[in-house]
Amino acid sequence: AQKITQTQPGMFVQEKEAVTLDCTYDTSDPSYGLFWYKQPSSGEMIFLIYQGSYDQQNATEGRYSLNFQKARKSANLVISASQLGDSAMYFCAMRGPTAGNKLTFGGGTRVLVKP
Amino acid sequence: NAGVTQTPKFQVLKTGQSMTLQCAQDMNHEYMSWYRQDPGMGLRLIHYSVGAGITDQGEVPNGYNVSRSTTEDFPLRLLSAAPSQTSVYFCASSYGNDQPQHFGDGTRLSIL
Repeated sequence: AQKITQTQPGMFVQEKEAVTLDCTYDTSDPSYGLFWYKQPSSGEMIFLIYQGSYDQQNATEGRYSLNFQKARKSANLVISASQLGDSAMYFCAMRGPTAGNKLTFGGGTRVLVKP
Repeated sequence: NAGVTQTPKFQVLKTGQSMTLQCAQDMNHEYMSWYRQDPGMGLRLIHYSVGAGITDQGEVPNGYNVSRSTTEDFPLRLLSAAPSQTSVYFCASSYGNDQPQHFGDGTRLSIL
């Protein structure tokens, strides 16, 4: 069975600073993928970044980067130059090798950016 | 291009009532899924589909039915609503396993 753990329930970050959100996962499958989603207070789910288990390089998307450490089974999200609009819940999710793109989600981390 | 459209956005039911949550996507995605999100938690998979005519159970399927007669539509049926099914329901679709899921805006469902 797959499991995703996000150990930081909430955190504050100063505007313009970088923040790292932790995500550890557990799976016995060699093929898997890791996603990060943002959920603002309005409730929608916004895709941020994806890392495949066979990808050689860490994924980056604008101000978002993923620190993928396969041996440690961690996939931490780094947000650089935080903005007030980054205040939201952030979810790490994993899909397994079978068809369907079925996601297992972590419990989320709430980020509040301070001006 | 509407993406993933869920209706209704809000619904209040009485225990024992049945209803159908609608989900439609216009991106020709083969994969579609239903998740529920309880307060302060991550999403949990209810049912999913890998194409028209093919559905399967996720992590928390009890009390829900799905069907997929077309690529575009993936309705979720609550057979006999229970207070434990009070939640926010999200429908999602994607091209394939390595592609991000596109989520609808959610349906907030309260069972009294």
